[in-house]
Amino acid sequence: AQKVTQAQTEISVVEKEDVTLDCVYETRDTTYYLFWYKQPPSGELVFLIRRNSFDEQNEISGRYSWNFQKSTSSFNFTITASQVVDSAVYFCALSEAYGGATNKLIFGTGTLLAVQP
Amino acid sequence: DAGVIQSPRHEVTEMGQEVTLRCKPISGHDYLFWYRQTMMRGLELLIYFNNNVPIDDSGMPEDRFSAKMPNASFSTLKIQPSEPRDSAVYFCASSLASGKTDTQYFGPGTRLTVL
Repeated sequence: AQKVTQAQTEISVVEKEDVTLDCVYETRDTTYYLFWYKQPPSGELVFLIRRNSFDEQNEISGRYSWNFQKSTSSFNFTITASQVVDSAVYFCALSEAYGGATNKLIFGTGTLLAVQP
Repeated sequence: DAGVIQSPRHEVTEMGQEVTLRCKPISGHDYLFWYRQTMMRGLELLIYFNNNVPIDDSGMPEDRFSAKMPNASFSTLKIQPSEPRDSAVYFCASSLASGKTDTQYFGPGTRLTVL
């Protein structure tokens, strides 16, 4: 069965610190997609990144970087030099792609990141 | 381009009343999803449509919940009769049909409170 685990319920850091949010997933399929979404205090869900199971290259976007390791079934998210505006709940999600017709997202429970000034 | 639009943003109703939530997907997207977010259960998929046809409604909690998509630009999620345990944030999302999993873009959500 599919499952996404975000073991860190809450993280608190001081501005300018680096912080890594962990995500571990379970799936029996060889083709799947992983996502990160951000939910700021205003409540909307904002897409951050999508990664397919065949692409293990790490990705960097500004202060954000993602480390995908199939060997440990992990897709961790690092924010460098955190800012107060990064305060939000971050969700990791998994979707399988078999059959080409289904793209249901299975979400983790989220990690609440609080960045203190 | 406009993102996914949901209305109303907030809804407060009394137990037993009918509630209708509305969603307009991103133009050109062929998939539409309804999710519910609660503290206890997190984000869970209720139902999704492909080209206006319901594909999987296994997440719909009870017969009190129903969803329709009469055309490519509009969907509703109805709860009748509503109960306090239905209080949650309901999200609509849409994505392109690309033959493989595509990114789902979410609307701002409707915060439903049933008294």
